Amino acid sequence: DIQMTQSPSSLSASVGDRVTITCRASQTINIYLNWYQQKPGKAPKLLIYAASSLQGGVPSRFSASGSGIDFTLTISSLQPEDFATYYCQQSYNTPRTFGQGTKVEIK
Amino acid sequence: QVQLQESGPGLVKPSETLSLICTASGGSMSEYYWNWIRQPAGKGLEWIGRVYKSGSSNYNPSLKSRVTMSVDTSKNQSSLMLSSVTAADTAVYYCARERGSSRMFDPWGQGTLVTVSS
Repeated sequence: DIQMTQSPSSLSASVGDRVTITCRASQTINIYLNWYQQKPGKAPKLLIYAASSLQGGVPSRFSASGSGIDFTLTISSLQPEDFATYYCQQSYNTPRTFGQGTKVEIK
Repeated sequence: QVQLQESGPGLVKPSETLSLICTASGGSMSEYYWNWIRQPAGKGLEWIGRVYKSGSSNYNPSLKSRVTMSVDTSKNQSSLMLSSVTAADTAVYYCARERGSSRMFDPWGQGTLVTVSS
């Protein structure tokens, strides 16, 4: 199985801050990397697919990059509605695997 | 646009079989994989497996011996069966469509909580 490791596991930030979350795969996954946002009591929502493509309707303050093993998700200016848990997920092969999640909390 | 909805018993006894259905509305799922994912309370996401209309499937090796998935294209539904459940199978269970060349999960159902308890 491909292991996905996110860091940090949690972070505290203020509205307006720039936030970066990293995700590392245990082997190369090309650009088969997706990012999801999950708010409490809700299903995950697709933010980014193919490592850097913004899902329709997702604000442009979200961006992502990477290929191979290392990937990043960046929120350029954190908004109140962005406080949530973020997961990366590889779709290179099965079993599909997720990172452990990064919880973004209000400072 | 496609919407997914999970349904099934919210309480299952230990050693019994968990059975859930995912129903799609607003569009056909016939050209997509149905995926099942679960999340124990306060924990991360675990992929259970996926199934295509042909019956072709892939399961997580950690659950493979206990999982069966199927598709009923006439009803636009997928079913998940997980046998010999224990308390460790207590979780919110999601279904999700896998789409695109990047094979992302979109959309997801709202999820259904299944508790394993006697």
